[in-house]
Amino acid sequence: LAKTTQPISMDSYEGQEVNITCSHNNIATNDYITWYQQFPSQGPRFIIQGYKTKVTNEVASLFIPADRKSSTLSLPRVSLSDTAVYYCLLGPPNNFNKFYFGSGTKLNVKP
Amino acid sequence: DSGVTQTPKHLITATGQRVTLRCSPRSGDLSVYWYQQSLDQGLQFLIQYYNGEERAKGNILERFSAQQFPDLHSELNLSSLELGDSALYFCASSGQGEYNEQFFGPGTRLTVL
Repeated sequence: LAKTTQPISMDSYEGQEVNITCSHNNIATNDYITWYQQFPSQGPRFIIQGYKTKVTNEVASLFIPADRKSSTLSLPRVSLSDTAVYYCLLGPPNNFNKFYFGSGTKLNVKP
Repeated sequence: DSGVTQTPKHLITATGQRVTLRCSPRSGDLSVYWYQQSLDQGLQFLIQYYNGEERAKGNILERFSAQQFPDLHSELNLSSLELGDSALYFCASSGQGEYNEQFFGPGTRLTVL
């Protein structure tokens, strides 16, 4: 089961761009990279998913280099409400049968 | 609202007891997942069911069991409860969406005294 490594915590200020990097040296060819956000006492929520290069949606961007051994979640102009834990996961999208969430990155956005 | 419902929201019980947590997936979703999250811990995958059959097992204790019924709702049974079983238990479901992402319910907070 391919595992990921993320920073335990990060601090930022409102209005800044935040980049959270996830390392996954043993990523498999058919693995996609998926990011989830979790607020305290709530279930995680899907943010974004990608396979290679760059993916962007209304919430975030995901940058994946050519070797795919890492990925970076970019949150533009964060606000206090973006304070949450962010998880990076690997897996084939047609068979996410064992999700390894790990400990995630706790993002603290300050005013 | 994710569309996934879990009952009860809170549960307080004593050591040695048995409880059942219930989950109703989003309409049309065939997969149901159970997770445990202890205080300030990451999510631990317990088990997955797909259309009534067990699909994958994670770090689920032998004292725990689950099943998915024909109407696709699922139950997680926890027996011989210990203090360390106190946690948030999340259920999630997934379907055939573009990203096959999981949709999580609000969770059941279990407190074992």
